[in-house]
Amino acid sequence: DIQMTQSPSSLSASVGDRVTITCRASQGIRNYLAWYQQKPGKVPKLLMYAASTLQSGVPSRFSGSGSGTDFTLTISSLQPEDVATYYCQKYKSDPTFGPGTKVDIK
Amino acid sequence: EVQLVESGGGLVQPGGSLRLSCAASGFTFSNYWMHWVRQAPGKGLVWVSRTNTDGSSTTYADSVKGRFTISRDNAKNTLYLQMNSLRDEDTAVYYCARDSANCGGDCYLFDPWGQGTLVTVSS
Repeated sequence: DIQMTQSPSSLSASVGDRVTITCRASQGIRNYLAWYQQKPGKVPKLLMYAASTLQSGVPSRFSGSGSGTDFTLTISSLQPEDVATYYCQKYKSDPTFGPGTKVDIK
Repeated sequence: EVQLVESGGGLVQPGGSLRLSCAASGFTFSNYWMHWVRQAPGKGLVWVSRTNTDGSSTTYADSVKGRFTISRDNAKNTLYLQMNSLRDEDTAVYYCARDSANCGGDCYLFDPWGQGTLVTVSS
């Protein structure tokens, strides 16, 4: 089975900071990588798929990159409404989520 | 507006059964694969099960195989999850989710999600 890992597990940054979250697959998954945002007490929301394609309505400060085993989610300028846990997920078969990265405001 | 509304959660004793429902609206339910995903308290997301468009093909996570059954009624626009032989470790919020419209089906890409229903397994 392919395992998904994320780093860091949590981070605290200031408003306006550039934030980067890394997701790694134990085997190559081409670009079948999605990112979800789950705000505290809320339902998960699809942010991005195919590693770098933004879901409709998602602010352009979010971007993604990567292919194969290494992927990143970047928030170019952190906003207070971005406080959430971010999960990466391998899709297309045997769906597996990463453990999540909790993002807070410093 | 696409909406998924789960119901049927509650407190059940270990070894008991529960049936979850997910009422869909705002889209052609019969055109989409559907999924259940769960989240234990304070923990991450775990995919549980999926059904294809007509219910003829289903798959399950190893942790629930043989105990849970996913089904759907396209005439009622409703997805179900029959959960038997429940264990403490099945305690979680259970979300139903649609396969994303961006992927052409058979994707295991979840969008949107329902609000979730809490299942608590405890004596």
